[in-house]
Amino acid sequence: GAVVSQHPSWVICKSGTSVKIECRSLDFQATTMFWYRQFPKQSLMLMATSNEGSKATYEQGVEKDKFLINHASLTLSTLTVTSAHPEDSSFYICSARKRDNGNQPQHFGDGTRLSIL
Amino acid sequence: DQQVKQNSPSLSVQEGRISILNCDYTNSMFDYFLWYKKYPAEGPTFLISISSIKDKNEDGRFTVFLNKSAKHLSLHIVPSQPGDSAVYFCAASGIYNNNDMRFGAGTRLTVKP
Repeated sequence: GAVVSQHPSWVICKSGTSVKIECRSLDFQATTMFWYRQFPKQSLMLMATSNEGSKATYEQGVEKDKFLINHASLTLSTLTVTSAHPEDSSFYICSARKRDNGNQPQHFGDGTRLSIL
Repeated sequence: DQQVKQNSPSLSVQEGRISILNCDYTNSMFDYFLWYKKYPAEGPTFLISISSIKDKNEDGRFTVFLNKSAKHLSLHIVPSQPGDSAVYFCAASGIYNNNDMRFGAGTRLTVKP
């Protein structure tokens, strides 16, 4: 199997709060984890690529100081939305790829619904 | 920059018939293609993949076809079942971009009993 656990599944908080989302690979080691954002009825947009032990690579237009990513181990990556505002409300999904050579699918968590009031 | 396109936002099929979902891509450097299935409020679930050295890959009721010259891939589901009703995303990646995946916009499949 390839199970990815994402926590929490739903967060409602006030504007200005920082929110941390965890992504864990439960039964495999993930050298690389990915963070996506999905707006209603739209596709998944890659925000950043997180490599264990190094700095994350952010996609164009994604503020790295706003979306802090830490990938401290081969099974855990965290995304912190700092000083969240209503426009940050979205569905955030992480994925992890097995530590292996060659092509491997990404396995996704169940996502985090973030609502900023 | 829409490198992966799914031009049909929705598809409705009768139970037992074939479902064909289509996907086009523009970047010839992509060499690995995947299909994911997604239910509301859940993360995508990996279905099937194909590398660019093949033109067909089959797994049970699911078959993915790849036409590199046309930069087109399709997912066939035979026979379709009501439980297949979901949003299907195609994705593409390549060694050139560190295997980062680019997703299409998704096609909502509805299989009617």
